Amino acid sequence: SSELTQDPAVSVALGQTVRITCQGDSLRSYYASWYQQKPGQAPVLVIYGKNNRPSGIPDRFSGSSSGNTASLTITGAQAEDEADYYCNSRDSSGNRWVFGGGTKLTVL
Amino acid sequence: QVQLQESGPGLVKPSETLSLTCTVSGGSISSYYWSWIRQPPGKGLEWIGYIYYSGSTNYNPSLKSRVTISVDTSKNQFSLKLSSVTAADTAVYYCARILDYYDSSGYLVGYFDYWGQGTLVTVSS
Repeated sequence: SSELTQDPAVSVALGQTVRITCQGDSLRSYYASWYQQKPGQAPVLVIYGKNNRPSGIPDRFSGSSSGNTASLTITGAQAEDEADYYCNSRDSSGNRWVFGGGTKLTVL
Repeated sequence: QVQLQESGPGLVKPSETLSLTCTVSGGSISSYYWSWIRQPPGKGLEWIGYIYYSGSTNYNPSLKSRVTISVDTSKNQFSLKLSSVTAADTAVYYCARILDYYDSSGYLVGYFDYWGQGTLVTVSS
């Protein structure tokens, strides 16, 4: 399968913890990476590999994976975390890439 | 700090060919994979394809018949051509670098670490 499935929208109260999930058969074989996109801006990488954060990404962002599901967790969500989040991975062939449909995160 | 910058016409007529170039600065185009990704207005990200600096390519099957990605290492640039465009090809087009390696557990890690700012291409007569 070449699809990655995300919930379209998730909300979280300020300061609480939220998990955004991504499902797909290829995730049994390949890591997901996660991207944050704010309106009018290019996506920004927030998590890659097993659970790695690029320089400058707050440690409240973390990643995990189990079976065919990858998760992005924000522990203590801040107002500035309100954005669209996309997962990405290789497809099952390993030769192509696919994005999830994106999750719009609202911080209440 | 690696920077990517897309350039090309912002308006393309239906049935014509969309052409964009991504210029890489602050680093060499060699030894990496480079990709094009697009995002229709109000919609999600769609991977278009990638090219290795040596010239090998791979494309999204849904676009493969219309897409060509090429590289010019002497100019530190890579390019996208999308033929026979329709209004459905209206989107912000991003170029990005792919970083690929095996981690300590032997698993393949891959991700898009640097992105251009994106350029809006509108298909309209």
